[in-house]
Amino acid sequence: AQSVSQHNHHVILSEAASLELGCNYSYGGTVNLFWYVQYPGQHLQLLLKYFSGDPLVKGIKGFEAEFIKSKFSFNLRKPSVQWSDTAEYFCAVRGTYKYIFGTGTRLKVLA
Amino acid sequence: DTAVSQTPKYLVTQMGNDKSIKCEQNLGHDTMYWYKQDSKKFLKIMFSYNNKELIINETVPNRFSPKSPDKAHLNLHINSLELGDSAVYFCASSHNQGSSYNEQFFGPGTRLTVL
Repeated sequence: AQSVSQHNHHVILSEAASLELGCNYSYGGTVNLFWYVQYPGQHLQLLLKYFSGDPLVKGIKGFEAEFIKSKFSFNLRKPSVQWSDTAEYFCAVRGTYKYIFGTGTRLKVLA
Repeated sequence: DTAVSQTPKYLVTQMGNDKSIKCEQNLGHDTMYWYKQDSKKFLKIMFSYNNKELIINETVPNRFSPKSPDKAHLNLHINSLELGDSAVYFCASSHNQGSSYNEQFFGPGTRLTVL
């Protein structure tokens, strides 16, 4: 069955701290992976995506993610978070005409 | 220049009423979706249409009926609204024919409150 697991449900960090959000997926086909961000009261926006090639993917706002095939993981990282990164983060995998989303990680960055 | 638009943004209604939410995308995408996001922010796919054809129907009650008059529009009609239907409903679109760049683009959401 296709699924996405995000293990961290709530994360609280101080500004300038480093961030890593975990994402593991289960999908048997060609893997297309995404991280989306949802700022308070807004819609989901794409942070970054992986389709093929370099497993280290750079996205917007200083985010990056690493695809590790052997671990079925696609963890999101940022070396130094800012207060404005406070948001909900969703990992997703694309299946056939369907995207499976994780349950989301709520990140709160303290100023 | 809104890519995916939804109307209305807010919808407050009584139990038992029938309501519709409209979605339009101007990206030329061939696939559109409806998602329901509950109070815990869990995002659940409801329907997916590809070229006006229903391809995903995720065990959604019959009270929910999507309609796609053309590739750029996907509307959602809900009959006999229940308290549990209160949520934010997101429309999204993507391109799914041979393209590598097929991330989803989301609309701003419709916050439905059933009293």
